Amino acid sequence: QQQVKQSPQSLIVQKGGISIINCAYENTAFDYFPWYQQFPGKGPALLIAIRPDVSEKKEGRFTISFNKSAKQFSLHIMDSQPGDSATYFCAASERRGGSYIPTFGRGTSLIVHP
Amino acid sequence: KAGVTQTPRYLIKTRGQQVTLSCSPISGHRSVSWYQQTPGQGLQFLFEYFSETQRNKGNFPGRFSGRQFSNSRSEMNVSTLELGDSALYLCASSPEPGLAGGDTQYFGPGTRLTVL
Repeated sequence: QQQVKQSPQSLIVQKGGISIINCAYENTAFDYFPWYQQFPGKGPALLIAIRPDVSEKKEGRFTISFNKSAKQFSLHIMDSQPGDSATYFCAASERRGGSYIPTFGRGTSLIVHP
Repeated sequence: KAGVTQTPRYLIKTRGQQVTLSCSPISGHRSVSWYQQTPGQGLQFLFEYFSETQRNKGNFPGRFSGRQFSNSRSEMNVSTLELGDSALYLCASSPEPGLAGGDTQYFGPGTRLTVL
């Protein structure tokens, strides 16, 4: 059972366009929602994160929108650049045994054409 | 600050063998988690160690084990390797929960394990 559903699986965007990736979750115990960016041959790197008491968070060209009642959150990449081409993972974390344990979406492969 | 380091980066083993992977967390981080990443199953949580104790465990068979040392370095071991164990094994470290950033994990580059 997939606890965090991510879509689309792949996305192609033109340079300067907006990339939008969506995630949905079921477990209301999740209380921290990070997004990770992964380039080939590298580990995931934290991009931006949000807590459920905030509906939107923006950092540069990256924005997370969060809808607590719908249990959905999304990543918007404004003015997408070829260097943004990577795989993006959403995650939902819950406190377990004193630690935050993330459950990851299946990832979105983003290609930005120049 | 140096990032999370993992050794070796690549490993080829045959079925039935066992393997040990190593992870050095970011200096000052006391929590270390391990993940398995495969094209079919995505990123899956294996286990988490804090202060040399396994604090959380994912849904993997007992062939997968780990430990953490007093300097927070961690190792994971897979015994009796199966073809399906071929994956990228990622280690992530985080500060102590409750501290600033304690909810964020910082990943290493991973160890690519191929089982033949």
